[in-house]
Amino acid sequence: GQNIDQPTEMTATEGAIVQINCTYQTSGFNGLFWYQQHAGEAPTFLSYNVLDGLEEKGRFSSFLSRSKGYSYLLLKELQMKDSASYLCAFMDSNYQLIWGAGTKLIIKP
Amino acid sequence: GAVVSQHPSRVICKSGTSVKIECRSLDFQATTMFWYRQFPKQSLMLMATSNEGSKATYEQGVEKDKFLINHASLTLSTLTVTSAHPEDSSFYICSARGETDYNEQFFGPGTRLTVL
Repeated sequence: GQNIDQPTEMTATEGAIVQINCTYQTSGFNGLFWYQQHAGEAPTFLSYNVLDGLEEKGRFSSFLSRSKGYSYLLLKELQMKDSASYLCAFMDSNYQLIWGAGTKLIIKP
Repeated sequence: GAVVSQHPSRVICKSGTSVKIECRSLDFQATTMFWYRQFPKQSLMLMATSNEGSKATYEQGVEKDKFLINHASLTLSTLTVTSAHPEDSSFYICSARGETDYNEQFFGPGTRLTVL
């Protein structure tokens, strides 16, 4: 079967670093995505990993380990505007996205 | 690039009426479009996948006669909620996928539907 799991909610302090984990199980895999979704808005694309390792893009980095079925999104120098839900999703063998429930990130001053 | 528009952004209608939502890819050709529904504090729920010129593929539990999807061109897909009821009130989001390196989906801004 297929499943994907991420924490429901996390809290961090402005200026700090936070890591949001995502674990998944699937027989067919074509990459893992991270999206950001602010309340009342549609998701926006953050990152894509299909090979093992770390992809860095400014303050955001995403890591993938295919053998462990594990990914994380690392956010550095947190800003208040980073308060949002972060959705991980993997693309299965049919190129469909299987979505996690999202992690609500709360940034405190 | 890769902009997807969705119209209307908000709609309030009476129970029993039909509502049409449009999804357009503005600067790329979308070979596949997806329709999602999202209830408050819940994740995205895929309703259906549509490819241009062919019938949509609906997810289990989604009534195809109630949620009519038309994908007549590579830049336009429509979702019609027929005979809407209060339980259909939700945030409906479309996404489009073109021929990009990552096969990522680009999302429209969403439509907030409230059925009275």
